[in-house]
Amino acid sequence: EADIYQTPRYLVIGTGKKITLECSQTMGHDKMYWYQQDPGMELHLIHYSYGVNSTEKGDLSSESTVSRIRTEHFPLTLESARPSHTSQYLCASSAEPGSPLHFGNGTRLTVT
Amino acid sequence: GQQVMQIPQYQHVQEGEDFTTYCNSSTTLSNIQWYKQRPGGHPVFLIQLVKSGEVKKQKRLTFQFGEAKKNSSLHITATQTTDVGTYFCAGLGLYNDYKLSFGAGTTVTVRA
Repeated sequence: EADIYQTPRYLVIGTGKKITLECSQTMGHDKMYWYQQDPGMELHLIHYSYGVNSTEKGDLSSESTVSRIRTEHFPLTLESARPSHTSQYLCASSAEPGSPLHFGNGTRLTVT
Repeated sequence: GQQVMQIPQYQHVQEGEDFTTYCNSSTTLSNIQWYKQRPGGHPVFLIQLVKSGEVKKQKRLTFQFGEAKKNSSLHITATQTTDVGTYFCAGLGLYNDYKLSFGAGTTVTVRA
């Protein structure tokens, strides 16, 4: 089983609040990713990182930001949450480019 | 950009029957990966295909990569209730090392 952890598992928060979704992996993977997924829908890549101090925006535009100060940690931040941000956020990592992704359990975010 | 299409979007299967889901890419792929996501869960890696015409089996699941490396299929025999979930294919382009393109998934339900 992959060692990648996301917290919180569920989050309900009011509009305008700042939130940070945590993602950590203990596998030493350089490549990390954030995907956004609405229930029953496809996965959209919103951020990825090649390694420490490297972050890139994904295919789907997102108002969130990410940082990669340590290899094992890839947090995602929303400065001002809105109802349109309600979704599931999945963090993943991989050992090499193109190698299989290990996903965390996800954070289900609801913005009221 | 690279697009990966999956059909059908939904598959309702009688327990014990076989079915196939298909994945097609607009461009030639370096590899293709298949993931399964149970309801309420996160995607879990099933298999990776790399070679043209490659066929791999996992118990009742048979995965195939097309000769032109632009399409793939997943065939499940004797469907069981444990097969319920959404099956995603994800293609890695020849010139896009870090980002997989996910299909929209095939959601499978099983009638007992």
